Amino acid sequence: DVKVTQSSRYLVKRTGEKVFLECVQDMDHENMFWYRQDPGLGLRLIYFSYDVKMKEKGDIPEGYSVSREKKERFSLILESASTNQTSMYLCASRIRGRGGTEAFFGQGTRLTVV
Amino acid sequence: AQKVTQAQTEISVVEKEDVTLDCVYETRDTTYYLFWYKQPPSGELVFLIRRNSFDEQNEISGRYSWNFQKSTSSFNFTITASQVVDSAVYFCALIEDTGFQKLVFGTGTRLLVSP
Repeated sequence: DVKVTQSSRYLVKRTGEKVFLECVQDMDHENMFWYRQDPGLGLRLIYFSYDVKMKEKGDIPEGYSVSREKKERFSLILESASTNQTSMYLCASRIRGRGGTEAFFGQGTRLTVV
Repeated sequence: AQKVTQAQTEISVVEKEDVTLDCVYETRDTTYYLFWYKQPPSGELVFLIRRNSFDEQNEISGRYSWNFQKSTSSFNFTITASQVVDSAVYFCALIEDTGFQKLVFGTGTRLLVSP
């Protein structure tokens, strides 16, 4: 089975801290995604990556950056956390080049910034 | 740009009722893929079905069925004889086959099935 693992289920950070959310997948997928989920807004794409060291902005990249140094790992970075970044963060991966394949999701990280 | 709209924010039904969740999409590509995911209270998204733009056949899987109509850009999901375990948030999603294959979701529909 495909496994997408997010490093933490719950995180509490202080305003201004640098925050790292880690995601690892074990299926050699090229594409990886970071979403945030907020009530009434659904899943909004923050960043995605289609290969090692390659990244593209999603719909709401402001205040975030990403890193993909290895194929299996995709990190989301909050350079200076703010309270409006309190949210559920979901990581996903999928095979690139075969549009019909589904994405597999991690269990989510609920981040609270105080 | 690609877009997915789920106009129903929340639906409440009583067990054994049938319920349809609407999904309308926008894309300029001729080749694209549509998906439905379920998010139970545990939080993890579970893949339910995919449909490609060349296949307009409806699909039935047990109590679930999907109606894909290109003419109205819709991909609706029906649960027959709903059960309490169907209570979840359901998301519709779209991938265009060109470019970076960005996966875009709708805002989701929360389904509450009461006994």
